[in-house]
Amino acid sequence: AQSVTQPDIHITVSEGASLELRCNYSYGATPYLFWYVQSPGQGLQLLLKYFSGDTLVQGIKGFEAEFKRSQSSFNLRKPSVHWSDAAEYFCGGSYIPTFGRGTSLIVHP
Amino acid sequence: IAGITQAPTSQILAAGRRMTLRCTQDMRHNAMYWYRQDLGLGLRLIHYSNTAGTTGKGEVPDGYSVSRANTDDFPLTLASAVPSQTSVYFCASSDTAGGADTQYFGPGTRLTVL
Repeated sequence: AQSVTQPDIHITVSEGASLELRCNYSYGATPYLFWYVQSPGQGLQLLLKYFSGDTLVQGIKGFEAEFKRSQSSFNLRKPSVHWSDAAEYFCGGSYIPTFGRGTSLIVHP
Repeated sequence: IAGITQAPTSQILAAGRRMTLRCTQDMRHNAMYWYRQDLGLGLRLIHYSNTAGTTGKGEVPDGYSVSRANTDDFPLTLASAVPSQTSVYFCASSDTAGGADTQYFGPGTRLTVL
């Protein structure tokens, strides 16, 4: 069973709008958590990761994520989406890295 | 630096045939992983290796085997392919095991079992 859940299969936003992709985890201890992005026909690229310290993590391409222990969440955010952000986004974690099912981001012009 | 290479890029295979997917990394990473990606199911871990000479089972290991004879290579073998193994397979590596290090992914192998 996967220990991270991405509740949204698809998310559609307009270019320039803000974005939040949800991720919930069910690990017992504070886990390693990360977000990866997969552009069409490509492999996966790390956006950001968290394993301790500041709960707000900055990543590449203007993305950030906030670790909230009380909500068992690690949601990914971006204040203004660009058309090039259209991709599949995977949340994951644990000591043996596993991934959620992914959220497909569609960006409308 | 090539990073991670996978071969073949794609393959169509008859059910019952044996197939080995190759994965080689040139980063001297200790840990390596095999995932399969299926629509709606995301990436699922098949097998992993924390260091040369050791392997472990992931979420979906049945029907697959791996070996880690050296640091660089981590082949995945399907002993007798079945149609449900049709998928895109990704190999990845990280400097150390334990989840803290960035995983680097190969370009994937698209496998179709008929």
